[in-house]
Amino acid sequence: SYELTQPPSVSVSPGQTARITCSGDQLPRQYAYWYQQKPGQAPVLVIYKDTERPSGIPERFSGSSSGTTVALTISGVQAEDEADYYCQSLDSSGVCWVFGGGTKLTVL
Amino acid sequence: EVQLVESGGGLVQPGGSLKLSCAASGFTFSGSAIHWVRQCSGKGLEWVGRIRSKGNNYATAYAASVQGRFTISRDDSDNTAYLQMNSLKTEDTAVYYCATPDRTWGQGTLVTVSS
Repeated sequence: SYELTQPPSVSVSPGQTARITCSGDQLPRQYAYWYQQKPGQAPVLVIYKDTERPSGIPERFSGSSSGTTVALTISGVQAEDEADYYCQSLDSSGVCWVFGGGTKLTVL
Repeated sequence: EVQLVESGGGLVQPGGSLKLSCAASGFTFSGSAIHWVRQCSGKGLEWVGRIRSKGNNYATAYAASVQGRFTISRDDSDNTAYLQMNSLKTEDTAVYYCATPDRTWGQGTLVTVSS
């Protein structure tokens, strides 16, 4: 079955830039979505269609895409950004949602 | 404001059944697909399945792990989607979320399968 691969963890100091990657063979053909999830809460969409930011999401969140890898970049990381981040896309059929394993962002 | 509210979770024995509901508001429910996603405690997200709109013949699709045991349906007159879960296994224990195609999610409902 199709998989999306994320690093298990990323650590940064406040004010630095965090970059979380997600790799998958279908990413050149299917959009990627990024979610932020804090403990005990539902996931919240922070990036859609590779690079678009929903209203209400701070400008420090941005997305990029290059070949089979997409990335979520958080510029000027704040303590409140500490959370799990998941990428999501579609499989080759374009039907099934596929999630990456999640990346725990730690703000040192 | 788009809102999804899941309900119906609880404790059920292995082999039992449970039906979850997803009540929607703030958008044209009848024209929208609805997805179900689950998350085991401390684990990642797993797509369960989806149902499309009447215009797309209410087409359903399921993850291999639940195919044949779970059924997604909807009642457009009540703006509600359902997840019927049969032959439940301990590994189905999770928080179940419903979500729209534009990635608005509900708060989830906990299903615990245990004897």
